[in-house]
Amino acid sequence: SAVISQKPSRDICQRGTSLTIQCQVDSQVTMMFWYRQQPGQSLTLIATANQGSEATYESGFVIDKFPISRPNLTFSTLTVSNMSPEDSSIYLCSVVGGAGRGELFFGEGSRLTVL
Amino acid sequence: GESVGLHLPTLSVQEGDNSIINCAYSNSASDYFIWYKQESGKGPQFIIDIRSNMDKRQGQRVTVLLNKTVKHLSLQIAATQPGDSAVYFCAENNDSGYALNFGKGTSLLVTP
Repeated sequence: SAVISQKPSRDICQRGTSLTIQCQVDSQVTMMFWYRQQPGQSLTLIATANQGSEATYESGFVIDKFPISRPNLTFSTLTVSNMSPEDSSIYLCSVVGGAGRGELFFGEGSRLTVL
Repeated sequence: GESVGLHLPTLSVQEGDNSIINCAYSNSASDYFIWYKQESGKGPQFIIDIRSNMDKRQGQRVTVLLNKTVKHLSLQIAATQPGDSAVYFCAENNDSGYALNFGKGTSLLVTP
């Protein structure tokens, strides 16, 4: 199994500011995924981040709002730009559990509250 | 788009009873399903998975049943314990085959 660390674990942000969330994995992984979990709701995939290529965004999510970096096989960042209260969510980083398709391992998440 | 959904948003059971959490999925092309448990303040944790070439899979105190005919997935927890209190999500692999689409979640509350 992979161990995933996210920073910050939680933050309170002002409207209009941007925040970058970091995700560190203890092993090299090809694919990393960023999910959003709005209060009391399920997880929604934001984008897939592969090292060496542009992130692939899901419908409803755009790069200008959620820029992603993937500088190496163990690290990724997600920035939430120009935040509004609607961006208050838990943001979760995840990786595939093993070779090929399978379960995803998740970090503990970054809980953002936008005032 | 196609999605995964749950029948019951909340479930309250007594300690020692069996729990059954249900999930309906709509993408007939999905071939991999997972149940996750999410405790308060934590990320989702893998419970059990099943591939579409199976209709039942058992783990320790948990069983997943898959009915492809009616696109239904269920999680059975035997002898439910207070530590089982959490939100449970079903998920299916998405079109990419790697990421997962999650259902709405069921909150399981185990009472003494």
